[in-house]
Amino acid sequence: DTGVSQDPRHKITKRGQNVTFRCDPISEHNRLYWYRQTLGQGPEFLTYFQNEAQLEKSRLLSDRFSAERPKGSFSTLEIQRTEQGDSAMYLCASSWQGRDSPLHFGNGTRLTVT
Amino acid sequence: GQQVMQIPQYQHVQEGEDFTTYCNSSTTLSNIQWYKQRPGGHPVFLIQLVKSGEVKKQKRLTFQFGEAKKNSSLHITATQTTDVGTYFCAGPWTGNQFYFGTGTSLTVIP
Repeated sequence: DTGVSQDPRHKITKRGQNVTFRCDPISEHNRLYWYRQTLGQGPEFLTYFQNEAQLEKSRLLSDRFSAERPKGSFSTLEIQRTEQGDSAMYLCASSWQGRDSPLHFGNGTRLTVT
Repeated sequence: GQQVMQIPQYQHVQEGEDFTTYCNSSTTLSNIQWYKQRPGGHPVFLIQLVKSGEVKKQKRLTFQFGEAKKNSSLHITATQTTDVGTYFCAGPWTGNQFYFGTGTSLTVIP
């Protein structure tokens, strides 16, 4: 169990640029989640995959956000035309199949939009 | 929509004092999980409660699930500086979405 890894750890970008983050889940896990967390707040659900299928997406999520998990292994989260309000920590988590399985989080990607 | 509130939002205690955080949901939960996030870290799973009225203990930590499965609590006895962090409750509120509560930030004063 090498844990969930996320890349990059930090990203600074200018407003209007596109950014892409990568998440490598624990290899045996078929569920993968993306969350966003701002200072002093709890993780906010963005989207969820079971294997390669994106099964849930937050209704609050802008169309500028898109996520993929093409082969059911690693996942990418892309933000197009970034805005200053997108600045946050983006957390990826994975779990076993099973609605009640605990989430294992990566260290996150901290995005700063200037 | 679902709301998961935790109180208090912040708690400062002297080392050795007890600490309790409460989690309240607007809907009945199939289960609830608790996570701890150290400053600068990521959430780490602590425990899961499934049954109505369930109580589980981990050393100085006691977790309880309400009879109606709409609330939960975490109690820490004789806090230590290693207990510092933010404690979140979380659960599968709708479909496969997994929502986190607002969190309680614990500061332990040595």
